[in-house]
Amino acid sequence: DTEVTQTPKHLVMGMTNKKSLKCEQHMGHRAMYWYKQKAKKPPELMFVYSYEKLSINESVPSRFSPECPNSSLLNLHLHALQPEDSALYLCASSLDRADGYTFGSGTRLTVV
Amino acid sequence: AQSVTQPDIHITVSEGASLELRCNYSYGATPYLFWYVQSPGQGLQLLLKYFSGDTLVQGIKGFEAEFKRSQSSFNLRKPSVHWSDAAEYFCAVVSTDSWGKLQFGAGTQVVVTP
Repeated sequence: DTEVTQTPKHLVMGMTNKKSLKCEQHMGHRAMYWYKQKAKKPPELMFVYSYEKLSINESVPSRFSPECPNSSLLNLHLHALQPEDSALYLCASSLDRADGYTFGSGTRLTVV
Repeated sequence: AQSVTQPDIHITVSEGASLELRCNYSYGATPYLFWYVQSPGQGLQLLLKYFSGDTLVQGIKGFEAEFKRSQSSFNLRKPSVHWSDAAEYFCAVVSTDSWGKLQFGAGTQVVVTP
């Protein structure tokens, strides 16, 4: 298995909703990442997990809450989002930094 | 400050013609270097990577890239472009002293004309 799987592919949520994005990989990668990508922009790093521990938080607002239940799973919990949070959310994983990152196809999030 | 620059926002190329995409980086030491491609609404696919060794790197889909230390560049090339190569291309770097922070250039949109 050489893929990173993200669910759902599309999500529409209201500003008072709570939802979660899910990411899964079975490549034995020990680092997992969340990126946010706005239209016609490069991906921006949000969080990095290394060996199931949060190692980097790029000053992301608390309405985004990551979770790494085990080495294969990464979640992003969403609560009280704003319309400007609408974007493509990408998950990635890597064996180490020199390995290249494998990206999922993303979750297209729309906040209404 | 550390940065990665893609000077060309948009490139139009005829099918069958050659393609070169530019990438320059500004880091204290040579970082790890990558090229990714993204089709509309999709995730990113790794085309190739450079860490050390041979400065000409071969990747998937017929792409290659050349690392030039003296110019702090890592340009991507393809000898003959296919219509399916139309996409957004991102150069990305990871600093050797900043584990986990994959930093992307602004991207180059490639349009392929018949």
